[in-house]
Amino acid sequence: AQSVTQLGSHVSVSEGALVLLRCNYSSSVPPYLFWYVQYPNQGLQLLLKYTSAATLVKGINGFEAEFKKSETSFHLTKPSAHMSDAAEYFCAVSDENQGAQKLVFGQGTRLTINP
Amino acid sequence: DSGVTQTPKHLITATGQRVTLRCSPRSGDLSVYWYQQSLDQGLQFLIQYYNGEERAKGNILERFSAQQFPDLHSELNLSSLELGDSALYFCASSPRRQGAETQYFGPGTRLLVL
Repeated sequence: AQSVTQLGSHVSVSEGALVLLRCNYSSSVPPYLFWYVQYPNQGLQLLLKYTSAATLVKGINGFEAEFKKSETSFHLTKPSAHMSDAAEYFCAVSDENQGAQKLVFGQGTRLTINP
Repeated sequence: DSGVTQTPKHLITATGQRVTLRCSPRSGDLSVYWYQQSLDQGLQFLIQYYNGEERAKGNILERFSAQQFPDLHSELNLSSLELGDSALYFCASSPRRQGAETQYFGPGTRLLVL
């Protein structure tokens, strides 16, 4: 079964600094991978997704992620953090076992931006 | 705004009671998914419906059930509620049932069982 592991439940960076949120996946087949963001008291919003078209995926709000098969990783980055990036971020893999299309989520990483 | 609506936003009830959560998918989406978000379990898949038919079950308790109606809206029924059922329940929808599709999430229903 597919799974994802997010390294670091809390990440804190200064405004303007690089954001790096780590995600490693486990999958027996080429995976479909997603990053979602959850702002306080809101639902999940898609940041970006990997569907095997290109290994470097650009998303909304300046975020991007690189799929590295050799490292089974899909880390999320943003060159310069903004205060509005403070939120919880979830990495997910699509599990299509037996006709289902469920998302399997990591435990989430809470990103704090220091002024 | 994802286009997925969920009602109610908040629900406070007592142990042993039954509640119904409602979800309207994005216009044209045939698949509906239910997820539970809790502090101890994180985000967990509960169940998927596609065009009215159940497609997959996840970690859904026997006390919970769901259905998708001909107009494609879905309801999640939670019965014999326990304190541990307190969580945020999300509905998501996607156009069909392909793994590469984006699932669009609603704002969630926050359930508090006292």
